[in-house]
Amino acid sequence: KNQVEQSPQSLIILEGKNCTLQCNYTVSPFSNLRWYKQDTGRGPVSLTIMTFSENTKSNGRYTATLDADTKQSSLHITASQLSDSASYICVVSDRGSTLGRLYFGRGTQLTVWP
Amino acid sequence: EADIYQTPRYLVIGTGKKITLECSQTMGHDKMYWYQQDPGMELHLIHYSYGVNSTEKGDLSSESTVSRIRTEHFPLTLESARPSHTSQYLCASSENKVGGKRTNEQFFGPGTRLTVL
Repeated sequence: KNQVEQSPQSLIILEGKNCTLQCNYTVSPFSNLRWYKQDTGRGPVSLTIMTFSENTKSNGRYTATLDADTKQSSLHITASQLSDSASYICVVSDRGSTLGRLYFGRGTQLTVWP
Repeated sequence: EADIYQTPRYLVIGTGKKITLECSQTMGHDKMYWYQQDPGMELHLIHYSYGVNSTEKGDLSSESTVSRIRTEHFPLTLESARPSHTSQYLCASSENKVGGKRTNEQFFGPGTRLTVL
């Protein structure tokens, strides 16, 4: 069964600190993995997208890594800001259908305190 | 920011009412999607469309219906709303190629928060 598991479920950090969010998946055949940021009451916004051959990708203070062998990904946030408070969702796409079906994790709820 | 819009953003209605949630995108994307999301839970695909006159049911069974008469417009309708329909509804659209590379990256609208009393 294709699944995406994220940890931790929630995380509280102080402003300026770094943090790392984890994602494990069982989706096969694998196409790509994306990290989305979803602010409360808003739609998800893409942060990074990685294909099988990419093992790291950065977007400002966000750095995602991918280990396709162990089927694990992480999202590292550097020097956190209050505006980073949001849900971070790991999404994996398969290449077994023309639709490019997406499998969503439940997200990690990050809260940044001043 | 993606050019995909949803209205209304918030809706509170009584049981039995008929409602239509609007979704429009100006990016010329062929594929469009509707997701349902409850608090703290993953998004569930309820409808999708490959293009005009194409509609398909997603993974999660839903009593809603959709139509795709124009490329840019993908409305979702509930004929008779019930409290069990209370949820957040997210619309998305996707491109097939980015510089020749197939990504199927989906762009999401801001969502409609529906509450049925």
